[in-house]
Amino acid sequence: DTGVSQNPRHKITKRGQNVTFRCDPISEHNRLYWYRQTLGQGPEFLTYFQNEAQLEKSRLLSDRFSAERPKGSFSTLEIQRTEQGDSAMYLCASSLVQGEKLFFGSGTQLSVL
Amino acid sequence: QKEVEQNSGPLSVPEGAIASLNCTYSDRGSQSFFWYRQYSGKSPELIMFIYSNGDKEDGRFTAQLNKASQYVSLLIRDSQPSDSATYLCAVKRSSGSARQLTFGSGTQLTVLP
Repeated sequence: DTGVSQNPRHKITKRGQNVTFRCDPISEHNRLYWYRQTLGQGPEFLTYFQNEAQLEKSRLLSDRFSAERPKGSFSTLEIQRTEQGDSAMYLCASSLVQGEKLFFGSGTQLSVL
Repeated sequence: QKEVEQNSGPLSVPEGAIASLNCTYSDRGSQSFFWYRQYSGKSPELIMFIYSNGDKEDGRFTAQLNKASQYVSLLIRDSQPSDSATYLCAVKRSSGSARQLTFGSGTQLTVLP
């Protein structure tokens, strides 16, 4: 168990640019989640996958956000035409299908200038 | 009304005291309740989860659930400076295939040596 790995740890970009983050879950975990957290707030759900199927997306997720998990292993989260309001910590978590415990990665801190 | 509400704190207790953290939720159909601890600059980690009304104890931690009052609490006995962190309450909704957790904004706890 090497834990949930996220890359990069930090990303600074200019408004209007596209960014992509990667998450490698714990290998035997079927479920993968993306959350966003801003300072002083709890994590906010974005989307989740069971294997390669994206089963749920937050209504708050704009069309500029897209996530994939092509082979049911790692996942990518892309934000197109970034805005300053996208600045946040993007957290990935994974779990077993029957598990209640989410294992979080260290997150990717995005700063949009 | 937020779905999950917590007092933001900060809550300060002396070392060795009992820290009491509270959380209320709005979805009466919620079934699963979680407490996560998040150290500054780190990702959340699960401390406890509870499903049934009453108390659940794990070491120095006790989770309490009252579904009639839509109230969850976490007691930390013999508080230690290493318990200083933000404590996030999270609720799993029961509707449909919803699998995501809804987090509160967290309570910042400081244990004073």
